[in-house]
Amino acid sequence: DVKVTQSSRYLVKRTGEKVFLECVQDMDHENMFWYRQDPGLGLRLIYFSYDVKMKEKGDIPEGYSVSREKKERFSLILESASTNQTSMYLCASSLRTSGGQETQYFGPGTRLLVL
Amino acid sequence: AQSVSQHNHHVILSEAASLELGCNYSYGGTVNLFWYVQYPGQHLQLLLKYFSGDPLVKGIKGFEAEFIKSKFSFNLRKPSVQWSDTAEYFCAVNALRYGNKLVFGAGTILRVKS
Repeated sequence: DVKVTQSSRYLVKRTGEKVFLECVQDMDHENMFWYRQDPGLGLRLIYFSYDVKMKEKGDIPEGYSVSREKKERFSLILESASTNQTSMYLCASSLRTSGGQETQYFGPGTRLLVL
Repeated sequence: AQSVSQHNHHVILSEAASLELGCNYSYGGTVNLFWYVQYPGQHLQLLLKYFSGDPLVKGIKGFEAEFIKSKFSFNLRKPSVQWSDTAEYFCAVNALRYGNKLVFGAGTILRVKS
């Protein structure tokens, strides 16, 4: 079974703090993704990575950055947290295949509250 | 722009009722289609997926979905729901021309009354 783990289930931070969210997968997947999940909006892609040290912007990258120094680990960074970044953050990974038939597997999520 | 529409945001059913959740997407070409489910307090899980072949796809827990290319739809069905199906359901589409990005619908919250 694919296992995607996230460093925290719940996190409370203050406005302006730097926040690190960590994600680790144990299936040697090339692709990793960060989403945020908000009621009525579904999941929106923040950043993704195809390989170590590679990153691509998703649909809502503003206010976020990412780091992928090792294949199994993908970090999401909020440089200066703001209240509108209060959300559930989901990490996912997938195996690269030819033909694009890739299935994403999700971690349990980190619920972040920014005060 | 890519978009995925789920027609109902909230659905309430009694146990044993039949379920159909709508999903439509806005772009042509080759697509991969998914339904994910999120049970209360749990992480997002894959319910079923369509890549190619038979457009009627069977998933876990008695769910199925039908891909109708001409209607750009991938509706989820279950003939008889149970209380344990209470969850939020997400349709997601990957259009190959856009790489391996998944675009999610807004989700449908299903509540099954016992």
